[in-house]
Amino acid sequence: DTEVTQTPKHLVMGMTNKKSLKCEQHMGHRAMYWYKQKAKKPPELMFVYSYEKLSINESVPSRFSPECPNSSLLNLHLHALQPEDSALYLCASSPRWWNGDEQFFGPGTRLTVL
Amino acid sequence: AQSVTQLGSHVSVSEGALVLLRCNYSSSVPPYLFWYVQYPNQGLQLLLKYTTGATLVKGINGFEAEFKKSETSFHLTKPSAHMSDAAEYFCAVSDKETSGSRLTFGEGTQLTVNP
Repeated sequence: DTEVTQTPKHLVMGMTNKKSLKCEQHMGHRAMYWYKQKAKKPPELMFVYSYEKLSINESVPSRFSPECPNSSLLNLHLHALQPEDSALYLCASSPRWWNGDEQFFGPGTRLTVL
Repeated sequence: AQSVTQLGSHVSVSEGALVLLRCNYSSSVPPYLFWYVQYPNQGLQLLLKYTTGATLVKGINGFEAEFKKSETSFHLTKPSAHMSDAAEYFCAVSDKETSGSRLTFGEGTQLTVNP
């Protein structure tokens, strides 16, 4: 299995809702990432987990809450989002948390906040 | 801090023509270098990367890139464009002098291939 899967593919939520995004990989990778991508822009790093520990939080608002229950799974919990949070949320993984490693990206979750 | 410049937010070529997408980085210590492609409504896929060794790197789908330290460049080329190459291309760098993997992406180049 050489892919990163993300669910759901699309999500529409109101500003008072609580929802979660899920990411899974079975490649034995030990680093996992969340990115936010707005239309016509490059991905922006949000969080990095290395060996199931949070290694980077790029000053992301607390309405986004990451969780790494085990080495294969990464969640992003969403609460009280704003319309400007609407974007494509990409998950990625890499074999190690090493700057020469390739990151493998999932297909993303398209989030719309009403 | 690292920065990456991709010259040309839009590049248009004819089918069968040479593809050249430009990428320049700004750091005194050459970083690790990557090219990713993104098709509409999909995630990013690695085309190729340079970490060490031979400066001409071959990737998937007939793409290649050459690391030129003197020019701080890592331009992406393909001898003959196919319609299926139409996509967004991102150059990315990772700083060798910091621990861990943190990609800095360029703004992207949208490649259009005309029949």
